[in-house]
Amino acid sequence: AQTVTQSQPEMSVQEAETVTLSCTYDTSESDYYLFWYKQPPSRQMILVIRQEAYKQQNATENRFSVNFQKAAKSFSLKISDSQLGDAAMYFCASRGGGTASKLTFGTGTRLQVTL
Amino acid sequence: DGGITQSPKYLFRKEGQNVTLSCEQNLNHDAMYWYRQDPGQGLRLIYYSQIVNDFQKGDIAEGYSVSREKKESFPLTVTSAQKNPTAFYLCASSINDSPRTGGENYGYTFGSGTRLTVV
Repeated sequence: AQTVTQSQPEMSVQEAETVTLSCTYDTSESDYYLFWYKQPPSRQMILVIRQEAYKQQNATENRFSVNFQKAAKSFSLKISDSQLGDAAMYFCASRGGGTASKLTFGTGTRLQVTL
Repeated sequence: DGGITQSPKYLFRKEGQNVTLSCEQNLNHDAMYWYRQDPGQGLRLIYYSQIVNDFQKGDIAEGYSVSREKKESFPLTVTSAQKNPTAFYLCASSINDSPRTGGENYGYTFGSGTRLTVV
């Protein structure tokens, strides 16, 4: 079984600044994968970044990077040089490594970007 | 272009009626999923199917039913037994493989959702 917890219902950041969204997870599986999804007002789910638990190096995708702390079961998302288009709901998610495993989501963090 | 199509975008249901939400994909994905999204609760898994003619209950299957007669289609029926059906419903698909063996091809594709309202 997996659980994903996002303790920040809302966050705000000024344009061009950096913001970090928090996520903790729990899993009984040794092989698992972590994801951050973005859901803009259109409600289309967009994959932001993914992290394989067996990789020690933190994943990065342009302005988006993660801080993966395996022992602490923490998986935070850092958005650098925030842009107005980053305003959205952000969901942290996890799944196990087996083919039968499913994607489990956290409750989401709404990010506002101000001028 | 390949993708997932959900229809309709908005759906209104009277109490006591069954309604069916459509989900079609042309990505040749084996696995398909239905999620329900409520404010403050994230996405919760209703049903999923990893192969044609087979499906399993997710975390909140009560009051819902599905079928998987074709690889491309995974319709969700919201029955009158679902006590609080007003929500946003998202369909997704993926290759039926683990992320490790699927490599860069592994990932979930989501539809644009259906907003169901009980009137």
